[in-house]
Amino acid sequence: NAGVTQTPKFQVLKTGQSMTLQCAQDMNHNSMYWYRQDPGMGLRLIYYSASEGTTDKGEVPNGYNVSRLNKREFSLRLESAAPSQTSVYFCASSERLAGAYTGELFFGEGSRLTVL
Amino acid sequence: GENVEQHPSTLSVQEGDSAVIKCTYSDSASNYFPWYKQELGKRPQLIIDIRSNVGEKKDQRIAVTLNKTAKHFSLHITETQPEDSAVYFCAAATRTDKLIFGTGTRLQVFP
Repeated sequence: NAGVTQTPKFQVLKTGQSMTLQCAQDMNHNSMYWYRQDPGMGLRLIYYSASEGTTDKGEVPNGYNVSRLNKREFSLRLESAAPSQTSVYFCASSERLAGAYTGELFFGEGSRLTVL
Repeated sequence: GENVEQHPSTLSVQEGDSAVIKCTYSDSASNYFPWYKQELGKRPQLIIDIRSNVGEKKDQRIAVTLNKTAKHFSLHITETQPEDSAVYFCAAATRTDKLIFGTGTRLQVFP
């Protein structure tokens, strides 16, 4: 089992360029998430998908779009990258625990994005 | 909106001492509270979690306590070791299926 796989691991963009971060999980989880991590800011939720076919905004959705392609895959797109989007991006997946809104998140290795 | 506050942002302790990290949450319906450890350059990994029907949970040197009335929960690490040095994040699962994280605590354990 690979767990959660995200690509690319590193990317440098110029302001205004677009790109898509890919994420796939092989644990048959229903829920998938995209977080960004900035120094001193913790992990902030960008978008999430509680189940296949649904997506919802998180804490910081502006400038991003997502697609839940199927149960395994959840991609994050930057249409017009800005320097403020320089960050480390983590994809994660989870399965809902009985009696809880969600369960343990399994994270990918992260994608370091720099926007010049 | 949904929010999780975490304190302190940095914590330095001597090896063998205890460390306590505290979090408060805003959504009274939150029912799942995990703690993650993130070593430098690595992904966050779950170390312990607690559900809202439990007040305390222990796993060897780590424990988590939950006070639902006050909407706060804490992580306790006893007999700290240098390998405990990392960034620790608390989180709360909200009624909208989201997991919201605190801003993290950088723990340094000095030999």
